[in-house]
Amino acid sequence: GDSVTQMEGPVTLSEEAFLTINCTYTATGYPSLFWYVQYPGEGLQLLLKATKADDKGSNKGFEATYRKETTSFHLEKGSVQVSDSAVYFCALTGNQFYFGTGTSLTVIP
Amino acid sequence: DAGVTQSPTHLIKTRGQQVTLRCSPKSGHDTVSWYQQALGQGPQFIFQYYEEEERQRGNFPDRFSGHQFPNYSSELNVNALLLGDSALYLCASSLLSDQPQHFGDGTRLSIL
Repeated sequence: GDSVTQMEGPVTLSEEAFLTINCTYTATGYPSLFWYVQYPGEGLQLLLKATKADDKGSNKGFEATYRKETTSFHLEKGSVQVSDSAVYFCALTGNQFYFGTGTSLTVIP
Repeated sequence: DAGVTQSPTHLIKTRGQQVTLRCSPKSGHDTVSWYQQALGQGPQFIFQYYEEEERQRGNFPDRFSGHQFPNYSSELNVNALLLGDSALYLCASSLLSDQPQHFGDGTRLSIL
């Protein structure tokens, strides 16, 4: 069945460091891919999306490219801020929404 | 424009009891999905409602049931509560089933 695999956390970075959170997927057909972010005590917020191969989603300095050949959708940001500290979830749509287990990011000043 | 609203925010129940959680979708959305998020885990899909019918269902027992009303709001009912049902229950709405979902802040359910 469809599934999403994320890199294990937690991840701790210094402010202005480069961020990569790996995400790979297994799916039949051509799913849409998403990154969601969850701040402490809150629900999930859509961060970015890509609906077809080679699409690049971007928002708030974060980027991810839909790579069909490697079945990946890695999240990147060139310079993280303390306010980026949160849990990040990769997700796809198959016959339902599938979420990864989440990667906790802490950015220290 | 109100987003997805859920009630209550917190709930404490004991084993064997029944619980009802409520969700109002974002304005203009007609599809509601429910998720269970255990501590430290990603959301697990429970089911999705569209046009007052259950359209998709995840791997959850029949103790979990739901309803969607004509105004698109929805309820999640869980019977015969188990300790393992303790989790954050998230409601999400969208205009179409495969479009980005907008999430509420969830209901934290604790089973004693």
